[in-house]
Amino acid sequence: NAGVTQTPKFQVLKTGQSMTLQCAQDMNHNSMYWYRQDPGMGLRLIYYSASEGTTDKGEVPNGYNVSRLNKREFSLRLESAAPSQTSVYFCASSVGLAESYEQYFGPGTRLTVT
Amino acid sequence: GNSVTQMEGPVTLSEEAFLTINCTYTATGYPSLFWYVQYPGEGLQLLLKATKADDKGSNKGFEATYRKETTSFHLEKGSVQVSDSAVYFCALKKAAGNKLTFGGGTRVLVKP
Repeated sequence: NAGVTQTPKFQVLKTGQSMTLQCAQDMNHNSMYWYRQDPGMGLRLIYYSASEGTTDKGEVPNGYNVSRLNKREFSLRLESAAPSQTSVYFCASSVGLAESYEQYFGPGTRLTVT
Repeated sequence: GNSVTQMEGPVTLSEEAFLTINCTYTATGYPSLFWYVQYPGEGLQLLLKATKADDKGSNKGFEATYRKETTSFHLEKGSVQVSDSAVYFCALKKAAGNKLTFGGGTRVLVKP
């Protein structure tokens, strides 16, 4: 079991470029999440997907889009990157929303926007 | 709204020292409380949890007690090891909600 995998591990973008962060889980979980982690601010929820075919905004969705491609995969897209989006991005999954207290996290993607 | 406040780090300790990381929360009702740990280069993982007042969560030698009267959930370990060096996050989940609210994290460095 790989758990939650994320690609890439590191990425440098120029302002205005676009990219997609990939996430996959092999635990047959229904719910998936995208967070960003900034120093001193903990993790902030960007978007989540309660189940395949649904997505909802979290705390900080502006500038991002998501796709729940299937039960396993949940991608995060930056259409026009800005320096304020420099952060570490984590994908997570849980059995379901009711079990969202126990989330399993991927190793993260460190994104720098210059 | 909901919020979680943790002491700022870094906290630097020697091996076998006693560790306390303070966590207080603001939320209506009776949230569930959690501690997550992030080891270097890894994602977060659930360390322990408490779902009602006076519950004590424990795991890997760490403990935290849910104190409703002081809205706190402080993390403690009696004798830390170098392998406990990590960032620790306090979090809450409201009973009727389905999302976690995280504190800012506290970096702990244990020196041999």
